[in-house]
This record gives sequence, structure tokens and C-alpha cells, in this order.
Amino acid sequence: RKEVEQDPGPFNVPEGATVAFNCTYSNSASQSFFWYRQDCRKEPKLLMSVYSSGNEDGRFTAQLNRASQYISLLIRDSKLSDSATYLCVVNNQAGTALIFGKGTTLSVSS
Amino acid sequence: NAGVTQTPKFQVLKTGQSMTLQCAQDMNHNSMYWYRQDPGMGLRLIYYSASEGTTDKGEVPNGYNVSRLNKREFSLRLESAAPSQTSVYFCASSASPGQGGYNEQFFGPGTRLTVL
Repeated sequence: RKEVEQDPGPFNVPEGATVAFNCTYSNSASQSFFWYRQDCRKEPKLLMSVYSSGNEDGRFTAQLNRASQYISLLIRDSKLSDSATYLCVVNNQAGTALIFGKGTTLSVSS
Repeated sequence: NAGVTQTPKFQVLKTGQSMTLQCAQDMNHNSMYWYRQDPGMGLRLIYYSASEGTTDKGEVPNGYNVSRLNKREFSLRLESAAPSQTSVYFCASSASPGQGGYNEQFFGPGTRLTVL
């Protein structure tokens, strides 16, 4: 099992849609979980951290399921500006660095 | 604050040439990282430095060397460039991992390197 796996997509949705991304991770001892956003030809930027109890930031909701070792990101009321690649990030087996998933591409159309 | 800066932004090399990618951060972070990003491969860690004076190999260190010059600067050197090293290189920094896990990593704008 790869350390971090994501469905690469692309997810093509209309404006206003709700879309969900899932990510699975292999290290059951992982403590740190994030979602990053990367626009085309730009650097990755933190979208939100993922906490055990789940957390929400405006239209974005992140959930963590430790038993099943997966993380989810829900985007409500999609905007054109949400078009980007979303990277799932987890700390590595050795606990020394972060591992980035390959990303899920979202395209929101009008 | 400039955050994380990288130079150069673009570079074309011939096979066998050498070059150094520069990275600097002004956030007083202890940890710094070098990644490469290739289509379909995602971000892969080349080397990291948990603190000034220490460096460690990541997932894909072969063909690269690093220097943590001081707390602010972390350089990546390609001694003899190969076409397989054509990629986008990102430098990142973060505060030291604290209790409960890792802190956010801040990325530089990247260097687009082509090796012919």
C-alpha cells in the first residue's frame, strides 16, 4: 500500500455543486494530516489542517477516520476559483517528514 | 516578509553540467526541505534539514547534494545533471515539529529545470 493515495480525478463539476475527495494513508501511527491546494504552475499552499474531531473552514470540511485510515475533504457550493489540484498530506513512517499524495484535480465550470 | 524565495526561476542545462539552486526563508524556521515535482509523480522529498547543521536524505536523494548554509539558507546542488533531473524543484520551510505533529510547510515559487 502506498503511503498516501488519492483518486487523481479529474473531477469536473458545475458551479454550486458539492464535491468530496478521499485519501487513504498507510501509516497507522500518523499524527499530522493536511490538505494543500496547488494551482497550475504554482507552489502548494496549505488549505487546512485536519483534526481528529473534524473541522470546517467556510465551504470546506475535512474529516479524519483513524480506524479506516482515510481523510476526506468536502467542498460545498463550488466556485470557479476552486479549480485546482488538492493534495492530501500525512507525516511519514519514520516521523521525520511529510508525504504528499499525487493530488486530485478539480475543475469547476460555469 | 518575503517568505520562501528561490533562485533561479528557470534554468536550462546540458547533460553533465552542474548548478546550485538557492533557497532562503525569513520566517525563522528550523526545518527546510527540497522537493521535486514531476507529472504523475506528485511531490517527492529529495533532502531535508531539521535544523541548522543537519541534513538527511529523503525519498529521491541520488544525484543531489545539499548544504544548510545557515538557518535561513538551504541550497541544492546537481553535480552532473542528467535528463532524468528535468523537473520543477520546490523548497519549503516549517517550524520544528512540535508535540502533536507537524507544522504547516511554506513553499517557494519553484525552479523549472530542463536538462538537455
